[in-house]
Amino acid sequence: ILNVEQSPQSLHVQEGDSTNFTCSFPSSNFYALHWYRWETAKSPEALFVMTLNGDEKKKGRISATLNTKEGYSYLYIKGSQPEDSATYLCAFQASGSARQLTFGSGTQLTVLP
Amino acid sequence: SAVISQKPSRDICQRGTSLTIQCQVDSQVTMMFWYRQQPGQSLTLIATANQGSEATYESGFVIDKFPISRPNLTFSTLTVSNMSPEDSSIYLCSVEETQKQFFGPGTRLTVL
Repeated sequence: ILNVEQSPQSLHVQEGDSTNFTCSFPSSNFYALHWYRWETAKSPEALFVMTLNGDEKKKGRISATLNTKEGYSYLYIKGSQPEDSATYLCAFQASGSARQLTFGSGTQLTVLP
Repeated sequence: SAVISQKPSRDICQRGTSLTIQCQVDSQVTMMFWYRQQPGQSLTLIATANQGSEATYESGFVIDKFPISRPNLTFSTLTVSNMSPEDSSIYLCSVEETQKQFFGPGTRLTVL
């Protein structure tokens, strides 16, 4: 059983604050690390797919880093807005023919106006 | 990116009945995945459905409880059989395209 953990479980921040979350995953058999944003009643939205150690990706005010050797990834949100409120999921994808995703339990972010 | 639709979007069912969830993709895909998220839990893979072969189930999930059909490259169904309140979850289908997985909007199931 693969262990993918996210922290914190939930987070409340004020509008304009910057915040970050952590995802830890196995450091062996790594293929990719995915970040998703999931708003209630909508499909999970793919934010990033990260494959290389040291990768940094950015999409607007959201960015992510990856350390495959120690098995962690950080997601950063700069200047949080109420529309950023969602559950942020990371998912580990192991090498191999199946390559299905193993998800963490998510970080539920609430941005207060 | 793939566009995925699911039916029904939500349902409330009685214990002991079965519900079939449909997943339609706007392009042909080899593998389709079925996940569920029980309240307070992470997304968990139920099975991988390939067209033309039997689905591959993850540990803790069996075909008798979650039969899956995959009649062509754009469609799949998941049936939740003999339901109990523990089956109350969000069920999602997904496909992989260009290294990303795309998800349907989910089916929110409540079992009374």
